[in-house]
Amino acid sequence: QKEVEQDPGPLSVPEGAIVSLNCTYSNSAFQYFMWYRQYSRKGPELLMYTYSSGNKEDGRFTAQVDKSSKYISLFIRDSQPSDSATYLCAMSMDTGRRALTFGSGTRLQVQP
Amino acid sequence: EPEVTQTPSHQVTQMGQEVILRCVPISNHLYFYWYRQILGQKVEFLVSFYNNEISEKSEIFDDQFSVERPDGSNFTLKIRSTKLEDSAMYFCASSEFRHNTEAFFGQGTRLTVV
Repeated sequence: QKEVEQDPGPLSVPEGAIVSLNCTYSNSAFQYFMWYRQYSRKGPELLMYTYSSGNKEDGRFTAQVDKSSKYISLFIRDSQPSDSATYLCAMSMDTGRRALTFGSGTRLQVQP
Repeated sequence: EPEVTQTPSHQVTQMGQEVILRCVPISNHLYFYWYRQILGQKVEFLVSFYNNEISEKSEIFDDQFSVERPDGSNFTLKIRSTKLEDSAMYFCASSEFRHNTEAFFGQGTRLTVV
């Protein structure tokens, strides 16, 4: 079983739709959770960072973590064509280890 | 807005040659990282660096790899004898001490080994 699994997509939605992106993980030692956006041939750009179960909102983005189910989600409201990118979940363990373990990424296409 | 900068953006090298990839992390950050992404695959951790020493490394980071912070601003990754399978995007990242997992990534160096 892979440590981090992410729905690969691609996901195609119309402009204005609500998008749900998800990852599951198997290692309960993961404590910190991040979502990155990556445009083609560019570096990952940090969108959201959280370490507790529950929801965290930032503008049109909401990150949700359920540690009991080992499941994290990113919701994008009022999606825009500029949101078209690959979304990567990433997670790390406690402060003793800083390496990020990434999911394989979900490619999102928002159609105008 | 502060950013991590990497040079060169693209490097082509012959198999067996040494390459040095360069990074300037965000100035007040204390932790530095290298990751790589082979085309179509996941971003993979290589190494983390703090206080002038390696704090963690992955199985990928074998003896042909080394990292250095030669001065107060640069952070380099050296690959001693490149192999075809080293072809990938290499990303440098940095993070502050107290927000230890909010890592900010550079734009990457695309390494092509021929």
